[in-house]
Amino acid sequence: QLVLTQSPSASASLGASVKLTCTLSSGHSSYAIAWHQQQPEKGPRYLMKLNSDGSHSKGDGIPDRFSGSSSGAERYLTISSLQSEDEADYYCQTWGTGIQVVFGGGTKLTVL
Amino acid sequence: EVQLVESGGGLVQPGGSLRLSCAASGFTVSSNYMSWVRQAPGKGLEWVSVIYSGGSTYYADSVKGRFTISRDNSKNTLYLQMNSLRAEDTAVYYCARVPVDTAMALYFDYWGQGTLVTVSS
Repeated sequence: QLVLTQSPSASASLGASVKLTCTLSSGHSSYAIAWHQQQPEKGPRYLMKLNSDGSHSKGDGIPDRFSGSSSGAERYLTISSLQSEDEADYYCQTWGTGIQVVFGGGTKLTVL
Repeated sequence: EVQLVESGGGLVQPGGSLRLSCAASGFTVSSNYMSWVRQAPGKGLEWVSVIYSGGSTYYADSVKGRFTISRDNSKNTLYLQMNSLRAEDTAVYYCARVPVDTAMALYFDYWGQGTLVTVSS
């Protein structure tokens, strides 16, 4: 079964960096994912598509502070030079064979 | 500039119906796969439905047989007809665009701001 697992929460200080993790279920380590950001009371915003080899393509207007990387079944989103507006929920999302769209449970990022 | 604007949400009684609209600008809805995704209060994102550029439609098991996705190319608008609504359908509903040339990869590069549907007596 295709499942994405995310830690419920993370925190980091203003100006620092943070690395969020999304883990693919067993047997799905080659899958690409997408990262989405959801600021409070707003609709989600597409950040990037991240492939298993770590290559990624970012959405329109996404700053260079946001980057992605991969290792095995883990997919990472790194945000550097944290700003207050980065405080948000971050969701990873993937797609499977047939018509299957799966979201992770989301990570709530607090900027201290 | 790509924009998606949802409307049509509101309060409806269990068993009732509602039709959501998503007006698109900056691109043609018939050229992309388009989806609906919902978010129950305080919860995560849940995929609901997709319509392919060729017109094929697919649904999550939780809404199959009750919801219908469609589009009006002349109005460049996506719809979600929701029938036999249940309390568990209460959520913010977002429309979302799948980029072209993704080789069937169902991910979303633009999202609307959402419209709230509340199912309650």
